Amino acid sequence: DIQMTQSPSSLSASVGDRVTITCRASQSISSYLNWYQQKPGKAPKLLIYAASSLQSGVPSRFGGSGSGTDFTLTISSLQPEDFATYYCQQSYSTPGTTFGGGTKVEIK
Amino acid sequence: EVQLVESGGGLVKPGGSLRLSCAASGFTFSSYSTNWVRQAPGKGLEWVSSISSSGTYIYYADSVKGRFTISRDNAKNSLYLQMNSLRAEDTAVFYCARGVVRGGSLFGYFDLWGRGTLVTVSP
Repeated sequence: DIQMTQSPSSLSASVGDRVTITCRASQSISSYLNWYQQKPGKAPKLLIYAASSLQSGVPSRFGGSGSGTDFTLTISSLQPEDFATYYCQQSYSTPGTTFGGGTKVEIK
Repeated sequence: EVQLVESGGGLVKPGGSLRLSCAASGFTFSSYSTNWVRQAPGKGLEWVSSISSSGTYIYYADSVKGRFTISRDNAKNSLYLQMNSLRAEDTAVFYCARGVVRGGSLFGYFDLWGRGTLVTVSP
């Protein structure tokens, strides 16, 4: 099975900061990597698909990059509504899709 | 309105059964794969099962294989998850999610999620 490792597991940042979250796959997954945002008590929301494609309606301060095994989610200027937990997901192969462990972005 | 609405969650004893439903509206349900994803209290997301748009292809996580059965009724715009032999570790919020499958991706990305239904397995 493909394992997804996110780092850091949590971070503290201020409004306006540039934030970078990393996701590493245990084997190459090409660009089949998606990013989700989840706020407490809410369903996840798709941000980025296929490593770098911005989902419709998502602010342009969110960006994704990478291919193969190493991927990055970047928030160029953190806003108050961005404090949440972020998950990566590989959608490459059987036996199943897998999510990373999550990165909680907290207010400094 | 484009939405997914889960139902059927509740409290069940270990070894018991439960059937979850997910009602889709506002889009052509039969054109999309659909998935179940769960989240145990205070934990991360765990994929449970996927079913292709026609129901031909079905996949399960190892943790539920042999106990859970996914199905869909495109005429009723509905997705189901039959859960048998439930264990305490199955306690979670279960989300229904629409999958967009393109190119070589087997599972695609999940662009629409329901609000979830809570399943609690406890004596």
